[in-house]
Amino acid sequence: GAVVSQHPSRVICKSGTSVKIECRSLDFQATTMFWYRQFPKQSLMLMATSNEGSKATYEQGVEKDKFLINHASLTLSTLTVTSAHPEDSSFYICSARGPGADISYEQYFGPGTRLTVT
Amino acid sequence: QKEVEQNSGPLSVPEGAIASLNCTYSDRGSQSFFWYRQYSGKSPELIMSIYSNGDKEDGRFTAQLNKASQYVSLLIRDSQPSDSATYLCAVISSGSARQLTFGSGTQLTVLP
Repeated sequence: GAVVSQHPSRVICKSGTSVKIECRSLDFQATTMFWYRQFPKQSLMLMATSNEGSKATYEQGVEKDKFLINHASLTLSTLTVTSAHPEDSSFYICSARGPGADISYEQYFGPGTRLTVT
Repeated sequence: QKEVEQNSGPLSVPEGAIASLNCTYSDRGSQSFFWYRQYSGKSPELIMSIYSNGDKEDGRFTAQLNKASQYVSLLIRDSQPSDSATYLCAVISSGSARQLTFGSGTQLTVLP
């Protein structure tokens, strides 16, 4: 149980275009989803926390107009990177709060999306 | 700033040995502690969670928590080459957002 999927797994886009990444909880309802970014040989950095039906909460330094997050249902959150630039190239990973989360706060991660902006 | 610190590594152990990974955290109010394993190019995989002081065993893995010392560790017994990965310690903060804060990770290599 507690499976999270992401699509696409890998995307290459041209500078100035927008890219949408989908994150789905497949076998549970996730009231909270998280978006992380990971650069090579670094740890995960939280970008934003997404609650179903409300606006995402962004971490300091993350541009909310550039990284648009929509959490429209209990099983789907999307991250859109608008006007992407080469410095946005990174590994983007979503996670969802799993079953029993009111006790454990466990998070389960999607497989990640490798974004390359050329 | 709520921080999670891990021993920097990299750590190399021979196959069959015990690998010991350590982590300290600064937020004394933290209640939930996790170890994730991350293979190169992949996303983190939850391998252990621990919430109360003491030891928790799951197969070859044992997590140890000492809240007074703000210390959590992971022992891997009978280490296998397939255990070679980066191990991330993560802590749920005491704030209302209940966000995971990750350590920088310890890279483990198990030598055949």
